Amino acid sequence: DGGITQSPKYLFRKEGQNVTLSCEQNLNHDAMYWYRQDPGQGLRLIYYSQIVNDFQKGDIAEGYSVSREKKESFPLTVTSAQKNPTAFYLCASRPSGENTQYFGPGTRLTVL
Amino acid sequence: GNSVTQMEGPVTLSEEAFLTINCTYTATGYPSLFWYVQYPGEGLQLLLKATKADDKGSNKGFEATYRKETTSFHLEKGSVQVSDSAVYFCALSQGYGGSQGNLIFGKGTKLSVKP
Repeated sequence: DGGITQSPKYLFRKEGQNVTLSCEQNLNHDAMYWYRQDPGQGLRLIYYSQIVNDFQKGDIAEGYSVSREKKESFPLTVTSAQKNPTAFYLCASRPSGENTQYFGPGTRLTVL
Repeated sequence: GNSVTQMEGPVTLSEEAFLTINCTYTATGYPSLFWYVQYPGEGLQLLLKATKADDKGSNKGFEATYRKETTSFHLEKGSVQVSDSAVYFCALSQGYGGSQGNLIFGKGTKLSVKP
């Protein structure tokens, strides 16, 4: 089955620890995205990548980092510098030449 | 800059009622417009889209028409079901090159349908 997978579905971390969220797609999409969702605030763009080995900051990149070493994978690291990391994180991908984004199931991160 | 405004929820309806969720946008040129749906605890699913003025997107009984003159893309369904309970997001995209491929989202409208 083609699709976007995010793991794990639920993640708990202690304050001050870095944590990496996984996003994998086998759709052969070029572009990938990370969003953060908080109640009542819709989705906010953290980082995006148009091609392998290239990525750009979105609207709320501070305290986050990403890498894009493979077309299929776009992991997001939430660093200890992120002041309020507890949120629902969504990964998406988009084929080249189209403007529709397709979303993964999300990871709910809770920092204790 | 580009923006999307959609009606605030929550919206509560009885089964078989008519649904309208308003969405208006601000953008230059001719953006593509989308409605996504999010069921509890899940990611977003594309519900429908329209890429040019007067296009009508439709799926699963939902419809929305791209109105350039009123910069609107209102979501409608003639008869809602309990299974339609979800959060609905309106979004726009300016294209697919560089940051133009980024989606601008409204804040979402939560719909609850009672039996």
